[in-house]
Amino acid sequence: DVKVTQSSRYLVKRTGEKVFLECVQDMDHENMFWYRQDPGLGLRLIYFSYDVKMKEKGDIPEGYSVSREKKERFSLILESASTNQTSMYLCASSLTGLNQPQHFGDGTRLSIL
Amino acid sequence: QQPVQSPQAVILREGEDAVINCSSSKALYSVHWYRQKHGEAPVFLMILLKGGEQKGHEKISASFNEKKQQSSLYLTASQLSYSGTYFCGTMDSSYKLIFGSGTRLLVRP
Repeated sequence: DVKVTQSSRYLVKRTGEKVFLECVQDMDHENMFWYRQDPGLGLRLIYFSYDVKMKEKGDIPEGYSVSREKKERFSLILESASTNQTSMYLCASSLTGLNQPQHFGDGTRLSIL
Repeated sequence: QQPVQSPQAVILREGEDAVINCSSSKALYSVHWYRQKHGEAPVFLMILLKGGEQKGHEKISASFNEKKQQSSLYLTASQLSYSGTYFCGTMDSSYKLIFGSGTRLLVRP
């Protein structure tokens, strides 16, 4: 069965810290995505990657970076965490191609104090 | 630009029908539908491609009118298990999937 695993379900960090959110998929998917989910705003795309070491900006990349050194792992990095980055972060993966379903992880609820 | 979903929320009794709409200001290649139950990951329901085809998943079906840049999700004879938040995602010439803000559906016994 398809599995996307996010390293933490809940995370609390302090303003200014560098934060790493990790995502691993076991389906050999080429595409991986990072979204943030906020009430009333739905899912907003931060970054995505269609291959190892490749990345593309989504709609809200400011304040974030990503790393994809291996096919199965996609990391989201908050360079200097701020309180407005408190949110639910969802990782997803899919096969290559435009119209492939995305498989989501359970999410990481990140609080920045 | 995010697609607009309507209604924002709907409450049904078991067995009733509902329609959720999704509209975009841009020409679309496809529309994707997902459902997210409280505290869980979003789950894929279906994809509709250009051509106006209608697809189904259990008693949930959807249509895509590419000329109007709209899609509708039809929930027939709703069950308690249908409760959750439904998201449409639209793909345009940017080749990014952009999600709407969601429609919260509650089915009561």
